[in-house]
Amino acid sequence: AQSVAQPEDQVNVAEGNPLTVKCTYSVSGNPYLFWYVQYPNRGLQFLLKYITGDNLVKGSYGFEAEFNKSQTSFHLKKPSALVSDSALYFCAVRANQAGTALIFGKGTTLSVSS
Amino acid sequence: DTAVSQTPKYLVTQMGNDKSIKCEQNLGHDTMYWYKQDSKKFLKIMFSYNNKELIINETVPNRFSPKSPDKAHLNLHINSLELGDSAVYFCASSQVEGARFFGPGTRLTVL
Repeated sequence: AQSVAQPEDQVNVAEGNPLTVKCTYSVSGNPYLFWYVQYPNRGLQFLLKYITGDNLVKGSYGFEAEFNKSQTSFHLKKPSALVSDSALYFCAVRANQAGTALIFGKGTTLSVSS
Repeated sequence: DTAVSQTPKYLVTQMGNDKSIKCEQNLGHDTMYWYKQDSKKFLKIMFSYNNKELIINETVPNRFSPKSPDKAHLNLHINSLELGDSAVYFCASSQVEGARFFGPGTRLTVL
């Protein structure tokens, strides 16, 4: 069975500092991995995805994520956080098989202080 | 030019009623989904349709029935609403292997 874990409920970081939001996954075969962001009372917005290829994936708003197969991780990173990055972040995974669902982590709230 | 739209945005109703939520996407995607987000923000897939054909049907009470009249629409009908159905329901679409594009959500409150 596939699963995804976001071990931190909340991450606090000061504006201008680098940020990391952690994600580990479990899936049979090669994973498809995604990060989404949700602002209050809004739908989810796609940030980036890893399907195949380069382990470092660059996405929207200056975010990037690194796929690490040996550690089964896909941590989200940004070199310099902005107050406007404060939101709820979801990691998601699905198996490389047709008809499989995208499974979401429980979410991590990122709080960036000025 | 909204990519994925849902109506209504808010739905307040009494227990036992029947209600529908509509979803439309103008992205030309093949696949559409319904997700439920509970009060703890946990997101769970409910249904997935590919070219009007049901491909994912998670363990959802049969009071919930999706209907896809065409590739661009996926509606959700809920019979005999219960208190536990209160949640935010998100529609999404994608090409089969791609990222999901989410609608703004429908906040359902059952009284």
